[in-house]
Amino acid sequence: KNEVEQSPQNLTAQEGEFITINCSYSVGISALHWLQQHPGGGIVSLFMLSSGKKKHGRLIATINIQEKHSSLHITASHPRDSAVYICAVRDNQFYFGTGTSLTVIP
Amino acid sequence: DAGITQSPRYKITETGRQVTLMCHQTWSHSYMFWYRQDLGHGLRLIYYSAAADITDKGEVPDGYVVSRSKTENFPLTLESATRSQTSVYFCASTRPGGLDTQYFGPGTRLTVL
Repeated sequence: KNEVEQSPQNLTAQEGEFITINCSYSVGISALHWLQQHPGGGIVSLFMLSSGKKKHGRLIATINIQEKHSSLHITASHPRDSAVYICAVRDNQFYFGTGTSLTVIP
Repeated sequence: DAGITQSPRYKITETGRQVTLMCHQTWSHSYMFWYRQDLGHGLRLIYYSAAADITDKGEVPDGYVVSRSKTENFPLTLESATRSQTSVYFCASTRPGGLDTQYFGPGTRLTVL
């Protein structure tokens, strides 16, 4: 049983395209996190949100608590956005999705 | 330098041996976490600690032991390593409350032969 499901698992886009990665979860949560894991393995936290929407540069994260769903959008994608994007939720511990592998082609 | 560090970065050991992975953070974050990352499973929580001398099990604690005698250090010990413990191990920390942004270490790639 996976508490967190992400889609798609793999995504290839042309540079400049608008990208959406989806996350659905089954537990009651206090917060949802989006993480970025680069090819070298390092993991960076992009967003933490518990309601509404957050924006940082070309990245936008939204969450719908009632539907237990979150999306991560990347506008004007660039090859440096190529990474694995991981959704994580917290009830009394963290649960992680298996990640979406994004490749942006020049 | 400030941050969260892990050592060693790479380790090869044999089944049955004891292995300790180190994690050190300089922010005085109260919460610290150990995860393992395997293909097809994503990150899974092994143990976490809310403060010095307070630890608790996560999703996959069997075969692992942790301690936290000092706020800045959170070592993870495999008492008798098994091949199924071959994985990449990440340490992370957060500020008080444990719900805030997690800061991850660079990871330790452990291979058990």
